[in-house]
Amino acid sequence: QQQVKQSPQSLIVQKGGISIINCAYENTAFDYFPWYQQFPGKGPALLIAIRPDVSEKKEGRFTISFNKSAKQFSLHIMDSQPGDSATYFCAAIEETSGSRLTFGEGTQLTVNP
Amino acid sequence: EAGVTQSPTHLIKTRGQQATLRCSPISGHTSVYWYQQALGLGLQFLLWYDEGEERNRGNFPPRFSGRQFPNYSSELNVNALELEDSALYLCASSLGLARYNEQFFGPGTRLTVL
Repeated sequence: QQQVKQSPQSLIVQKGGISIINCAYENTAFDYFPWYQQFPGKGPALLIAIRPDVSEKKEGRFTISFNKSAKQFSLHIMDSQPGDSATYFCAAIEETSGSRLTFGEGTQLTVNP
Repeated sequence: EAGVTQSPTHLIKTRGQQATLRCSPISGHTSVYWYQQALGLGLQFLLWYDEGEERNRGNFPPRFSGRQFPNYSSELNVNALELEDSALYLCASSLGLARYNEQFFGPGTRLTVL
């Protein structure tokens, strides 16, 4: 059973466009929501993270929007660039399970020049 | 500063054999995590070690085991290999037990079971 559901599975965006990736969860014990970026042949790297007491967090072109009541959160990539082409994973940490990450299924983003 | 390193890069085994994967964390990091990235299944948490102790275990059979050494490096052992164990195994490290410490991932070991 996938505890964090991520969509879409793949996404193609034109350069300069906005990329939007969505995640949903059921476990209300999740209390930390990081996003990871993975390039081919590399391990995932932390991109941005949010806690549920905040509805939005922005770092450069990357923004997380968080809707606690709907148990949904999303990643927005503004002014998408070809260098953003990668696989993106949302994740969650449960307050009772220490630091173990529960990942979404991943979204393969392609930004066309 | 060196990142998380893993060895070997690739490992090919046959069904029933044992595989040993190794991970060296970033200097100063005491926590090591193991994740399995199988095709179509995403990233699944396997094991978490800190200060030589197993702190948490994912939903995997007992033939997946590991340990952490006094220098904080770690080994993942997979016994009685099955075809479905073929995956990329990722190791991550962080600065100890604090929950929001960033996990830094290595490049992974690609295990192929024939």
